[in-house]
Order: sequence, then structure tokens, then C-alpha cells
Amino acid sequence: RKEVEQDPGPFNVPEGATVAFNCTYSNSASQSFFWYRQDCRKEPKLLMSVYSSGNEDGRFTAQLNRASQYISLLIRDSKLSDSATYLCVVTSNSGNTPLVFGKGTRLSVIA
Amino acid sequence: NAGVTQTPKFQVLKTGQSMTLQCAQDMNHNSMYWYRQDPGMGLRLIYYSASEGTTDKGEVPNGYNVSRLNKREFSLRLESAAPSQTSVYFCASQSWGGDSPLHFGNGTRLTVT
Repeated sequence: RKEVEQDPGPFNVPEGATVAFNCTYSNSASQSFFWYRQDCRKEPKLLMSVYSSGNEDGRFTAQLNRASQYISLLIRDSKLSDSATYLCVVTSNSGNTPLVFGKGTRLSVIA
Repeated sequence: NAGVTQTPKFQVLKTGQSMTLQCAQDMNHNSMYWYRQDPGMGLRLIYYSASEGTTDKGEVPNGYNVSRLNKREFSLRLESAAPSQTSVYFCASQSWGGDSPLHFGNGTRLTVT
């Protein structure tokens, strides 16, 4: 099992829709979880950290399910500007990389 | 408020040439990283430096060397470039290592012909 797995998509949704992505991880000892956003040919940017109790930032909600070892990102009222690739990041169980990135889920919001 | 600065933004090399990618951060972060990103492969860690004076190999270190010159600067060197090193390279920094988020530079787009 890969350390971090994401559905690559693309998810094509209309403006105003609600969309959710999941990310599964294999390291049960992982303590830190993040969602990053990456626009085409740009650097990844931190979208939000994911806390045990779940957290919300405007239209974005992140959840952690330790029992099933996944994190989720919910986007409400999608905007055209939300079109991007969303990367899941977790603490690694490998000695040579502190954090491991998923390959990303591509979202396209359509007018 | 520069954050993480990478130079150059673009570079074309011929096979066998050498070059150094520069990275500097002004956030007083302890840890710094070099990643490469290829289509369909996601971000892969080349080398990292947990603190000034230390460096460690990541997942794909072969063909690269690094120098943590001081707390601010972390450079990546390609001694003899190969076409397989054509990629986008990102430098990142992290405040106290371990579990804090990474902050990325704008990237260097390298083509080796």
C-alpha cells in the first residue's frame, strides 16, 4: 500500500456545487496532516492543516478519520477559482522523508 | 515579504553540464528541502536539511549534491546533468521540522537536452 493515496480525478463540477476529496494514508503513527493547493505550473501552497477534531476555513472543511486512516476535504459553493490540484500531505513512516505528498486530485469547476 | 526565493526560474542545460540551483528563505526556518516534480509522479524529495550543518538524502538523491551554506541558504547541484533530470525543482522551508507545514519557492524549470 502506498503511503498516501488520492483519486487523481479529474473532478468536473459546476459552480456552486459541493465536492469532497478523500486521501488515505498507511502510517498509523502519522500525527500531522495538511491539504495543499497547486495551480498549473506553480508551487504548492498550504490550504489548511487538518486537526483531529476537524476544522473549517470559510467554504473549506477538513476532517480526519484515524480509525479508517483517511483525511477529507470538503469544498462548498465551488468557485471557478477553486480549479486546481489538491495535494494531501501526511507525516511519513520512511526515515528519509519527513513528510510525504500524495499525487493530487485535480478539480475543475465549470461555469 | 519574500519567503522562499529560488533562482534561476528557467534553465536549459546540455547533457554533462553542471549547474547549481539556489534557494534562500528569510523566515528563520530551521529545515529546508529540495523536491522535484514530474508529470504524473507527484513531488519527490531529493535532499533535505533538518537544521544548519546537516543534510540527508531523500527518495531520489542520485545525481545531486546539496550544501546548507547557512541557515538561510540551501543549494542543489547537478554535477553532470542528464535528460532524466529534466523536471521542475521546488525548494521548501519548514519552521521547526517534523510536523509543521512546508513553504515553497516558485520553482525552477530545468530542461536537459
